[in-house]
Amino acid sequence: EVQILQSGGGSVQPGGSLRLSCTASGFTFSSQAMGWVRQAPGKGLEWVSTISFSGSDTFYTGSVKGRFTISRDNSKNTVYLQMNSLRVEDTAIYYCAKEIWYRFDYWGQGSLVTVSS
Amino acid sequence: QSALTQPASVSGSPGQSITISCTGTSSDIGYYDYVSWYQQHPGKTPKLIIYDVANRPSGVSSRFSGSKSGNSASLTISGLQADDEADYYCTSCHSTLYMVVGGGTRLTVL
Repeated sequence: EVQILQSGGGSVQPGGSLRLSCTASGFTFSSQAMGWVRQAPGKGLEWVSTISFSGSDTFYTGSVKGRFTISRDNSKNTVYLQMNSLRVEDTAIYYCAKEIWYRFDYWGQGSLVTVSS
Repeated sequence: QSALTQPASVSGSPGQSITISCTGTSSDIGYYDYVSWYQQHPGKTPKLIIYDVANRPSGVSSRFSGSKSGNSASLTISGLQADDEADYYCTSCHSTLYMVVGGGTRLTVL
């Protein structure tokens, strides 16, 4: 059974940093791309970032480029989202998901990130 | 403003069929067959219901179907049931942006 467990959300002031973690099991983690999708309160889904199975390729939505960094440790079956220079508009539930050919077939439970002064 | 355009809301009565449209461009839907649809009930995690335009993951009801024509994709739900009331999102691969998402459609079952 595929399981994706997230950790690391919380509250931070504008300009601060947070790191989200996502540990997966039930599939060959090192063979699968992983991604992050967020949802601001009362708003729709927004794709944030994707990392290839090896970690050699990373992709970001424009609004987080230069501020967020996605990475993975295949020895720990874990993917990370390092979020720096956080803005109020980054407030959202962040979902980690297993990605295959531009679709997310398994999702984590979500991590709430609140950026507020 | 979302890259893919969906109607904000649609509604239908139990047993009826509804269609949700998703309009993109020649850089996304019009070029790739990597269109997916997700269902999200309030307070819940999104669920993949259609991928690669018209394929259903294992366990998804055959009442859900997808199609594509030109720069637009569609999700059709037949035999509407109360539990179908949810938000629906389309996504597509994009030639330069990697992935784009629709703004979401709220389905109300009357």
